[in-house]
Amino acid sequence: GEDVEQSLFLSVREGDSSVINCTYTDSSSTYLYWYKQEPGAGLQLLTYIFSNMDMKQDQRLTVLLNKKDKHLSLRIADTQTGDSAIYFCAEKIRDDKIIFGKGTRLHILP
Amino acid sequence: EPEVTQTPSHQVTQMGQEVILRCVPISNHLYFYWYRQILGQKVEFLVSFYNNEISEKSEIFDDQFSVERPDGSNFTLKIRSTKLEDSAMYFCASIPDRSSYNEQFFGPGTRLTVL
Repeated sequence: GEDVEQSLFLSVREGDSSVINCTYTDSSSTYLYWYKQEPGAGLQLLTYIFSNMDMKQDQRLTVLLNKKDKHLSLRIADTQTGDSAIYFCAEKIRDDKIIFGKGTRLHILP
Repeated sequence: EPEVTQTPSHQVTQMGQEVILRCVPISNHLYFYWYRQILGQKVEFLVSFYNNEISEKSEIFDDQFSVERPDGSNFTLKIRSTKLEDSAMYFCASIPDRSSYNEQFFGPGTRLTVL
Protein backbone atom coordinates (compact mmCIF):
# COMPACT_ATOMS: atom_id res chain seq x y z
CA GLY A 1 0.00 0.00 0.00
CA GLU A 2 0.94 3.64 -0.18
CA ASP A 3 2.02 5.04 3.16
CA VAL A 4 4.41 7.64 4.50
CA GLU A 5 5.30 7.62 8.19
CA GLN A 6 7.08 10.20 10.28
CA SER A 7 7.34 11.06 13.94
CA LEU A 8 4.89 13.70 15.11
CA PHE A 9 7.08 15.92 17.29
CA LEU A 10 10.67 17.07 17.56
CA SER A 11 12.18 19.56 19.99
CA VAL A 12 15.57 21.07 19.26
CA ARG A 13 17.63 23.83 20.88
CA GLU A 14 18.26 26.94 18.82
CA GLY A 15 21.59 26.60 17.02
CA ASP A 16 21.58 22.80 17.06
CA SER A 17 20.82 20.59 14.07
CA SER A 18 17.35 19.16 13.56
CA VAL A 19 16.91 15.78 11.92
CA ILE A 20 13.44 14.77 10.80
CA ASN A 21 12.99 11.20 9.64
CA CYS A 22 10.47 9.59 7.33
CA THR A 23 9.79 6.15 5.92
CA TYR A 24 7.73 5.32 2.87
CA THR A 25 6.43 2.13 1.38
CA ASP A 26 6.05 2.60 -2.35
CA SER A 27 9.24 1.59 -4.16
CA SER A 28 8.00 3.13 -7.41
CA SER A 29 8.23 6.67 -6.04
CA THR A 30 10.14 8.97 -8.37
CA TYR A 31 10.52 12.11 -6.28
CA LEU A 32 10.50 12.65 -2.54
CA TYR A 33 9.70 16.00 -1.02
CA TRP A 34 9.87 17.97 2.16
CA TYR A 35 7.15 20.57 2.62
CA LYS A 36 6.98 23.16 5.38
CA GLN A 37 3.73 24.46 6.85
CA GLU A 38 3.76 27.52 9.06
CA PRO A 39 0.71 28.38 11.18
CA GLY A 40 -2.21 29.53 9.03
CA ALA A 41 -0.27 29.07 5.82
CA GLY A 42 -0.26 26.57 2.99
CA LEU A 43 2.32 23.94 2.18
CA GLN A 44 5.63 25.34 0.96
CA LEU A 45 8.02 23.09 -0.92
CA LEU A 46 11.35 23.19 0.92
CA THR A 47 13.35 20.74 -1.10
CA TYR A 48 13.04 17.55 -3.10
CA ILE A 49 15.23 14.65 -4.13
CA PHE A 50 15.05 12.39 -7.13
CA SER A 51 14.81 8.75 -6.19
CA ASN A 52 18.15 7.80 -7.79
CA MET A 53 20.06 10.26 -5.59
CA ASP A 54 21.50 9.58 -2.13
CA MET A 55 21.95 13.09 -0.89
CA LYS A 56 21.08 16.64 -1.70
CA GLN A 57 22.34 19.75 0.05
CA ASP A 58 20.77 23.17 -0.20
CA GLN A 59 22.23 25.79 2.16
CA ARG A 60 21.20 24.71 5.69
CA LEU A 61 19.17 21.76 4.42
CA THR A 62 20.53 18.28 3.77
CA VAL A 63 18.32 15.50 2.46
CA LEU A 64 19.48 11.90 2.77
CA LEU A 65 17.76 9.07 0.93
CA ASN A 66 18.27 5.38 1.64
CA LYS A 67 16.27 3.76 -1.11
CA LYS A 68 16.96 0.23 0.09
CA ASP A 69 15.40 0.97 3.48
CA LYS A 70 12.89 3.49 2.02
CA HIS A 71 14.09 6.04 4.52
CA LEU A 72 14.29 9.78 3.96
CA SER A 73 15.66 12.39 6.34
CA LEU A 74 15.84 16.16 6.46
CA ARG A 75 18.64 17.81 8.43
CA ILE A 76 18.38 21.50 9.23
CA ALA A 77 21.70 22.91 10.35
CA ASP A 78 21.88 25.77 12.88
CA THR A 79 18.16 25.62 13.62
CA GLN A 80 16.55 29.04 14.05
CA THR A 81 13.27 30.12 15.65
CA GLY A 82 11.93 30.77 12.16
CA ASP A 83 12.28 27.06 11.42
CA SER A 84 9.47 26.31 13.85
CA ALA A 85 6.76 24.70 11.70
CA ILE A 86 5.27 21.39 10.65
CA TYR A 87 7.41 19.47 8.15
CA PHE A 88 5.74 17.05 5.78
CA CYS A 89 7.51 14.22 4.04
CA ALA A 90 5.85 13.28 0.73
CA GLU A 91 6.44 10.96 -2.18
CA LYS A 92 5.35 11.23 -5.77
CA ILE A 93 4.17 7.87 -6.99
CA ARG A 94 2.36 8.80 -10.19
CA ASP A 95 2.10 11.95 -12.25
CA ASP A 96 -0.98 13.08 -10.43
CA LYS A 97 -0.58 11.73 -6.96
CA ILE A 98 1.55 12.80 -4.03
CA ILE A 99 1.31 10.90 -0.74
CA PHE A 100 1.98 12.89 2.40
CA GLY A 101 2.97 11.89 5.90
CA LYS A 102 1.18 13.28 8.96
CA GLY A 103 3.83 15.91 9.49
CA THR A 104 6.47 16.48 12.19
CA ARG A 105 5.98 19.50 14.39
CA LEU A 106 9.39 21.08 15.02
CA HIS A 107 9.61 23.04 18.25
CA ILE A 108 12.63 25.26 18.88
CA LEU A 109 13.85 25.58 22.47
CA PRO A 110 15.64 28.81 23.46
CA GLU B 1 5.43 36.35 -6.71
CA PRO B 2 2.30 34.63 -8.04
CA GLU B 3 0.46 32.44 -5.57
CA VAL B 4 -2.56 30.21 -5.25
CA THR B 5 -5.39 31.85 -3.33
CA GLN B 6 -8.37 30.25 -1.64
CA THR B 7 -11.65 31.61 -0.29
CA PRO B 8 -13.07 31.60 2.26
CA SER B 9 -10.34 30.99 4.82
CA HIS B 10 -12.91 29.45 7.17
CA GLN B 11 -16.36 28.10 6.36
CA VAL B 12 -18.87 26.91 8.94
CA THR B 13 -21.87 24.97 7.73
CA GLN B 14 -24.66 22.75 8.99
CA MET B 15 -24.61 19.04 8.25
CA GLY B 16 -26.48 18.32 5.01
CA GLN B 17 -25.79 21.71 3.49
CA GLU B 18 -23.91 22.23 0.25
CA VAL B 19 -20.60 24.09 0.31
CA ILE B 20 -18.42 25.43 -2.46
CA LEU B 21 -14.75 26.03 -1.79
CA ARG B 22 -13.02 28.36 -4.18
CA CYS B 23 -9.48 28.47 -5.46
CA VAL B 24 -7.69 30.74 -7.88
CA PRO B 25 -4.66 28.85 -9.23
CA ILE B 26 -1.59 30.58 -10.59
CA SER B 27 -2.57 32.06 -13.94
CA ASN B 28 -0.47 30.05 -16.39
CA HIS B 29 -0.92 26.74 -14.57
CA LEU B 30 -2.73 23.89 -16.28
CA TYR B 31 -3.09 21.15 -13.66
CA PHE B 32 -5.15 21.58 -10.52
CA TYR B 33 -5.55 19.57 -7.35
CA TRP B 34 -7.57 19.36 -4.17
CA TYR B 35 -6.24 17.84 -0.97
CA ARG B 36 -7.71 17.70 2.49
CA GLN B 37 -6.22 17.41 5.95
CA ILE B 38 -8.40 16.24 8.82
CA LEU B 39 -7.09 17.69 12.08
CA GLY B 40 -4.06 15.75 13.26
CA GLN B 41 -4.04 13.48 10.24
CA LYS B 42 -2.29 13.26 6.89
CA VAL B 43 -2.73 15.51 3.94
CA GLU B 44 -4.83 13.35 1.59
CA PHE B 45 -5.14 13.59 -2.16
CA LEU B 46 -8.71 14.10 -3.35
CA VAL B 47 -8.67 14.87 -7.06
CA SER B 48 -6.62 16.17 -9.97
CA PHE B 49 -8.04 18.13 -12.90
CA TYR B 50 -6.69 18.94 -16.33
CA ASN B 51 -8.23 20.22 -19.53
CA ASN B 52 -11.66 20.48 -17.90
CA GLU B 53 -11.67 16.86 -16.84
CA ILE B 54 -10.85 14.88 -13.74
CA SER B 55 -7.51 13.11 -14.28
CA GLU B 56 -7.51 11.05 -11.12
CA LYS B 57 -9.53 10.85 -7.94
CA SER B 58 -9.14 9.06 -4.65
CA GLU B 59 -11.65 6.80 -2.93
CA ILE B 60 -12.54 9.74 -0.68
CA PHE B 61 -13.84 11.67 -3.71
CA ASP B 62 -17.26 10.06 -3.94
CA ASP B 63 -20.50 11.26 -5.54
CA GLN B 64 -20.88 13.96 -2.90
CA PHE B 65 -17.86 15.77 -4.32
CA SER B 66 -17.48 17.57 -7.61
CA VAL B 67 -14.98 19.98 -9.14
CA GLU B 68 -15.40 22.63 -11.75
CA ARG B 69 -13.49 25.31 -13.53
CA PRO B 70 -16.39 27.64 -14.25
CA ASP B 71 -14.27 30.34 -15.89
CA GLY B 72 -10.66 30.96 -16.78
CA SER B 73 -9.51 31.63 -13.25
CA ASN B 74 -11.53 29.82 -10.57
CA PHE B 75 -11.32 26.15 -9.60
CA THR B 76 -14.03 25.01 -7.22
CA LEU B 77 -14.70 22.03 -4.98
CA LYS B 78 -18.35 21.38 -4.19
CA ILE B 79 -19.58 19.11 -1.44
CA ARG B 80 -23.27 18.44 -2.04
CA SER B 81 -24.45 17.32 1.37
CA THR B 82 -21.83 17.85 4.02
CA LYS B 83 -21.20 15.33 6.77
CA LEU B 84 -19.50 15.84 10.11
CA GLU B 85 -16.49 13.92 8.87
CA ASP B 86 -15.98 16.41 6.03
CA SER B 87 -14.63 18.86 8.61
CA ALA B 88 -11.02 19.44 7.54
CA MET B 89 -8.59 21.86 5.94
CA TYR B 90 -8.95 21.78 2.18
CA PHE B 91 -5.94 22.74 0.12
CA CYS B 92 -5.91 23.63 -3.54
CA ALA B 93 -2.73 23.23 -5.58
CA SER B 94 -1.63 23.85 -9.14
CA ILE B 95 1.29 23.20 -11.45
CA PRO B 96 2.22 24.72 -14.83
CA ASP B 97 2.83 21.37 -16.48
CA ARG B 98 4.04 17.88 -15.67
CA SER B 99 7.63 19.02 -15.35
CA SER B 100 10.38 16.90 -13.98
CA TYR B 101 9.95 17.43 -10.30
CA ASN B 102 6.39 18.55 -10.46
CA GLU B 103 6.31 21.01 -7.57
CA GLN B 104 2.74 21.61 -6.58
CA PHE B 105 2.07 25.17 -5.46
CA PHE B 106 -0.36 25.10 -2.57
CA GLY B 107 -2.87 27.66 -1.42
CA PRO B 108 -3.29 28.60 2.26
CA GLY B 109 -6.29 26.33 2.68
CA THR B 110 -9.94 26.65 3.66
CA ARG B 111 -10.92 25.33 7.06
CA LEU B 112 -14.34 23.68 6.75
CA THR B 113 -16.28 23.07 9.95
CA VAL B 114 -19.45 21.00 9.69
CA LEU B 115 -21.78 21.26 12.70
